[in-house]
Amino acid sequence: SAVISQKPSRDICQRGTSLTIQCQVDSQVTMMFWYRQQPGQSLTLIATANQGSEATYESGFVIDKFPISRPNLTFSTLTVSNMSPEDSSIYLCSVERLGSGSPLHFGNGTRLTVT
Amino acid sequence: GQQLNQSPQSMFIQEGEDVSMNCTSSSIFNTWLWYKQDPGEGPVLLIALYKAGELTSNGRLTAQFGITRKDSFLNISASIPSDVGIYFCAGQEGEAGGTSYGKLTFGQGTILTVHP
Repeated sequence: SAVISQKPSRDICQRGTSLTIQCQVDSQVTMMFWYRQQPGQSLTLIATANQGSEATYESGFVIDKFPISRPNLTFSTLTVSNMSPEDSSIYLCSVERLGSGSPLHFGNGTRLTVT
Repeated sequence: GQQLNQSPQSMFIQEGEDVSMNCTSSSIFNTWLWYKQDPGEGPVLLIALYKAGELTSNGRLTAQFGITRKDSFLNISASIPSDVGIYFCAGQEGEAGGTSYGKLTFGQGTILTVHP
């Protein structure tokens, strides 16, 4: 399976600021996704990162708040903009390689605390 | 949207006991997945199920894809302390290996505690 690296692994940020999270995969993958896991909760899909085009966002998530880039088949970024304490969560990158029969694999996540 | 109900929410068991947890859905999934999450880490895939009725084992873990495609269970036999963690079921709408991608819908998780 692909090795997924996320940076930073954790951060403490002040409200009103923005944080960009990076996801690097060791091999080309077809699909990259960003998930959020709020404290004590399950995982919720934020968006699908599309290579070379705008990300596809799920209901309740918007581009202005969570801009996403995917410049190539191995890298993506998620920015959490104008942060508030409610954005404190673990943000996880996941990947899928279509045609491989292999389902989603996850990085270790970025644990964000907003004060 | 689709929802998954996972139960139980938590389990406290003695080492050596067997564990069973399950998920039910209001609608059909084409793939069922079971993940385990340890503190500070991302979910790790345990078992993937692709066909209705499929029964798959991975060591002490056994999982089944329900015939109706709306449910799945995970059993852990002879539990050991390192089985501690949060177990998530997840359903994928897209077909495995197909042209459509699959975004996952997750259950609420089962917190497993194993007493030595």
